[in-house]
Amino acid sequence: DIQMTQSPSSLSASVGDRVTITCRASQGIRNALGWYQQKPGRAPKRLIYAASSLQSGVPSRFSGSGSGTEFTLTISSLQPEDFATYYCLQHNSYPITFGQGTRLEIK
Amino acid sequence: QVQLVQSGTEVKKPGASVKVSCRASGYTFTRYYIHWVRQAPGQGLEWMGIINPNGGSTTYAQKFQGRVTVTRDTSTSTVYMELSSLRSEDTAIYYCARDQGGDCCDSWGQGTLVTVSS
Repeated sequence: DIQMTQSPSSLSASVGDRVTITCRASQGIRNALGWYQQKPGRAPKRLIYAASSLQSGVPSRFSGSGSGTEFTLTISSLQPEDFATYYCLQHNSYPITFGQGTRLEIK
Repeated sequence: QVQLVQSGTEVKKPGASVKVSCRASGYTFTRYYIHWVRQAPGQGLEWMGIINPNGGSTTYAQKFQGRVTVTRDTSTSTVYMELSSLRSEDTAIYYCARDQGGDCCDSWGQGTLVTVSS
């Protein structure tokens, strides 16, 4: 199975800050990676697919980059509604695996 | 618009089985695979398996092999996930999600809480 190591596990930041979350894959996954946002009591919402493509309707302050084994999600200027938990997901091979999650909290 | 609507909350005893449904609308049902993902209370996301509604072929995570069965009914555009031999560790929210032509997962159901308790 491909292990996805996500860091940090939690992060405190302020509105307007630039934030970066990283996922490392235990083996190469090309660009078969997505980023998801989850708020309490809600289903995950896809932000980024194919490592760097912005999901329709998602604000442009979200961006993704990387290929192979290292990937990043960047939020360029945090907004109040961005405080949530973020997960990466690899779908290069089965079983699909998720990162452990990053809880983004208000400082 | 794409919608996945899941069945309601379930409470089961250890050893029992549960069957959760996921009804799709707003797109051609047979053109997109459906995944099942679960989330235990306060924990992360865990992939369980996938079905191709066009033909019904499935792939399951090894962890669930022998206990999970995913089926579909094309006449009602519904996918079912049945988990057997339930134990307390299976208490979780179960989600279905649509695969977007090889990119997981662009649309999600609202989730179904399954509680396993004696």
